Amino acid sequence: DVKVTQSSRYLVKRTGEKVFLECVQDMDHENMFWYRQDPGLGLRLIYFSYDVKMKEKGDIPEGYSVSREKKERFSLILESASTNQTSMYLCASSTLDRGRRNEQFFGPGTRLTVL
Amino acid sequence: GENVEQHPSTLSVQEGDSAVIKCTYSDSASNYFPWYKQELGKRPQLIIDIRSNVGEKKDQRIAVTLNKTAKHFSLHITETQPEDSAVYFCAASISIDGGSQGNLIFGKGTKLSVKP
Repeated sequence: DVKVTQSSRYLVKRTGEKVFLECVQDMDHENMFWYRQDPGLGLRLIYFSYDVKMKEKGDIPEGYSVSREKKERFSLILESASTNQTSMYLCASSTLDRGRRNEQFFGPGTRLTVL
Repeated sequence: GENVEQHPSTLSVQEGDSAVIKCTYSDSASNYFPWYKQELGKRPQLIIDIRSNVGEKKDQRIAVTLNKTAKHFSLHITETQPEDSAVYFCAASISIDGGSQGNLIFGKGTKLSVKP
């Protein structure tokens, strides 16, 4: 059973703070993703990674960076948190195995509030 | 790039009725179309998907249809039950060589309410 875990379910930070959101998956998946979810806007891709030390910008990368030093771990970094980054953040992973479903497995989410 | 439009944004049905959610996509190269269900307070989970080499796929009470010419696909839920109440997201992506392709473009979601 695939497990994707995120370091915090709820997080409250102040404007200007540096924020780290951690995601870990235990199924040896190559692909990992960070999304933010806002009411009426669906799931928007921030960054993704197909391999260790590799990263690609998604649709809304501004104000974020990522790190993937190990295959199982993908971190999202808010260098200087702002109130418009208050949101639900979802991590996901999927495999590159040919012939397998492209299913993305999501973590439970981190609800970040920036004051 | 790909753009996915999803309608309606909210849908309310009586228990036992059918529900239909529709999505359109812009990139004719897209060939993989999954649907995710997110119950309140929980993570999105894949419920059904379809590839562009088929026009319809069924799994018990849920089915997905695909019209490649018109670039739209739909989720059909029959005999709805209260536990079907959730937010449903459609998505589209390009799958390479029939294998895995990671990048999904999601629609904005449909909140389905099934009234007992």
